[in-house]
Amino acid sequence: AQSVTQLDSHVSVSEGTPVLLRCNYSSSYSPSLFWYVQHPNKGLQLLLKYTSAATLVKGINGFEAEFKKSETSFHLTKPSAHMSDAAEYFCVVSEFTGGGADGLTFGKGTHLIIQP
Amino acid sequence: DTGVSQDPRHKITKRGQNVTFRCDPISEHNRLYWYRQTLGQGPEFLTYFQNEAQLEKSRLLSDRFSAERPKGSFSTLEIQRTEQGDSAMYLCASSPTWESYNEQFFGPGTRLTVL
Repeated sequence: AQSVTQLDSHVSVSEGTPVLLRCNYSSSYSPSLFWYVQHPNKGLQLLLKYTSAATLVKGINGFEAEFKKSETSFHLTKPSAHMSDAAEYFCVVSEFTGGGADGLTFGKGTHLIIQP
Repeated sequence: DTGVSQDPRHKITKRGQNVTFRCDPISEHNRLYWYRQTLGQGPEFLTYFQNEAQLEKSRLLSDRFSAERPKGSFSTLEIQRTEQGDSAMYLCASSPTWESYNEQFFGPGTRLTVL
């Protein structure tokens, strides 16, 4: 069984400062990991994905995440926050169980607030 | 627009009524998924199709929920005898193949309000 824990329900940072959104996962198989972003009244958009290649993954809009198997973590970072980054962020895990991939398992989300 | 589309975007219904939602995936995407998202929570997986075959339906919330994808293209999600607890956003997603690392492309969702 797979699960995702997002360690902060809300994160508030000032514009121009670094962003860190924390995620821990649990998986019985070799997982694929994703970060999705959801802006108000908009659909979910993929930021980045880890698929057992490079452990440091770069995504859109300057975001990146590092897969750490020993810590079962996949934290999302950005060096400098922008006002447009304010949104809900979801850490997501998907397992390939041999019979084909099942649905995605989402964390509860982290609401990112950017202070001017 | 070649993304995933969902119809309607909003649905208000009275308790006890049946509702049906439609999802049109990105063309040539074999896999189609349904999720439910309640306020303040992440999306919750309900069911998925590989072409017209429904490969997982044990996660549907109750026997009032059913989904079809008769020709392997669009899909419908039906809720019978709606309850107030069914109020949520229902999301559809599609992906091109079965590998777990493939991105799922999400539609804008159908927001259901049960009065």
